[in-house]
Amino acid sequence: DIQLTQSPSSVSASVGDRVIITCRASQDISRWLAWYQQKPGKAPKLLISAALNLQSGVPSRFSGSGSGTDFTLTISSLQPEDFSTYYCQQANTFPALTVGGGTKVEI
Amino acid sequence: QVQLQESGPGLVKPSQTLSLSCTVSGGSINSPNSYWTWIRQPPGKGLQWIASIYYSGSTYYSPSLKSRLSISLDTSNNQFSLKLSSVTAADTAVYYCVRVRNDYSDFTNQYYFDFWGQGTLVTVSS
Repeated sequence: DIQLTQSPSSVSASVGDRVIITCRASQDISRWLAWYQQKPGKAPKLLISAALNLQSGVPSRFSGSGSGTDFTLTISSLQPEDFSTYYCQQANTFPALTVGGGTKVEI
Repeated sequence: QVQLQESGPGLVKPSQTLSLSCTVSGGSINSPNSYWTWIRQPPGKGLQWIASIYYSGSTYYSPSLKSRLSISLDTSNNQFSLKLSSVTAADTAVYYCVRVRNDYSDFTNQYYFDFWGQGTLVTVSS
């Protein structure tokens, strides 16, 4: 199975900060990566597909980039509602759709 | 907008069978671009894919859990279900039912968890 390693595992930030989360795949997955946001007690929400495609309704301060084995999720100006845990998921190898370990963004 | 809702007991005794159902609304379970899926999340931990089923009846199981798992469809009620046998405390988790959307571009199939149920906490304890 393809392994996904996220870093950092947690990050402390303030409102207005730029936050960058990285996800590294154990093998080349082209651009077939997704990003999710999970708030406490809630189900994850799909933010980005195919490494950079923002889903409908997701604020433009979120952006994704990367291909091959290295990917990033950037929040350009952190808002109070963005304090959450973020996960990456490789989207190419069904059914082994592995998910990264998560990055907690906290105050 | 597809909506999913889990149902089932919140407490299961060790060695017994965990049974959950998911009712799908706002979309058909017979959709050819959808895989109906269970994902779990132990308290304070990450997400683990457990099983998926396609409208044709094809099933897919996590290798680590395969011997204890069964996933099924009830197309007449737009539902799908999960059974996990011989549970232990390690199976305590929030269980989510999820739609996996199958996209196709650049000659490649991709699979995204696009709609989620609210999740149901299942505790394994005597």
